[in-house]
Amino acid sequence: AQSVTQLDSQVPVFEEAPVELRCNYSSSVSVYLFWYVQYPNQGLQLLLKYLSGSTLVKGINGFEAEFNKSQTSFHLRKPSVHISDTAEYFCAVNLILTGGGNKLTFGTGTQLKVEL
Amino acid sequence: EAGVTQFPSHSVIEKGQTVTLRCDPISGHDNLYWYRRVMGKEIKFLLHFVKESKQDESGMPNNRFLAERTGGTYSTLKVQPAELEDSGVYFCASSQGTGKYNEQFFGPGTRLTVL
Repeated sequence: AQSVTQLDSQVPVFEEAPVELRCNYSSSVSVYLFWYVQYPNQGLQLLLKYLSGSTLVKGINGFEAEFNKSQTSFHLRKPSVHISDTAEYFCAVNLILTGGGNKLTFGTGTQLKVEL
Repeated sequence: EAGVTQFPSHSVIEKGQTVTLRCDPISGHDNLYWYRRVMGKEIKFLLHFVKESKQDESGMPNNRFLAERTGGTYSTLKVQPAELEDSGVYFCASSQGTGKYNEQFFGPGTRLTVL
């Protein structure tokens, strides 16, 4: 069974400050890992993904995440946040389904609030 | 290219009533998924279609939920009769092809409130 833990339900941060959103996962098989972002009144948008290769993954809007297999973590970081980064962020792992396709298992989400 | 669309965006119904949610995937995407987020909880997988066939419906909560995808295009998710615990946001996603990984594109969701 797979699971994802996002310990921080809310993270307040001042504009231009760095931020880290934490994600830990458990899985009995090799994983694909993702971060999605949901802006107000919008759908989930893929921020970045780790499939294989380099453990440091860069995504859109200046975000990056590092896959750490020994610590089973996939923390999301941004060196300097902007007001427009205010959104809810979801970490997810991927399970390949028998009939093809992929099933995503999500964490409970982290609400990032950027303040002036 | 149009993204995944869902209708309605919001629905407020009384306990015991029926509600039907609709999802239009990206054109050409064979895979269609339904997920649900109950308030404060994680987004949970409900089921997966490949074209018109249900491949995995292990996440469907109970037999009050019925999903269909006639013709392999749009999908509907019917809740009958609705209960209070069905309140939440229902997301639809679609992806192209099969294999190890295919990016899922999500719709904006339908917020369902059962009173």
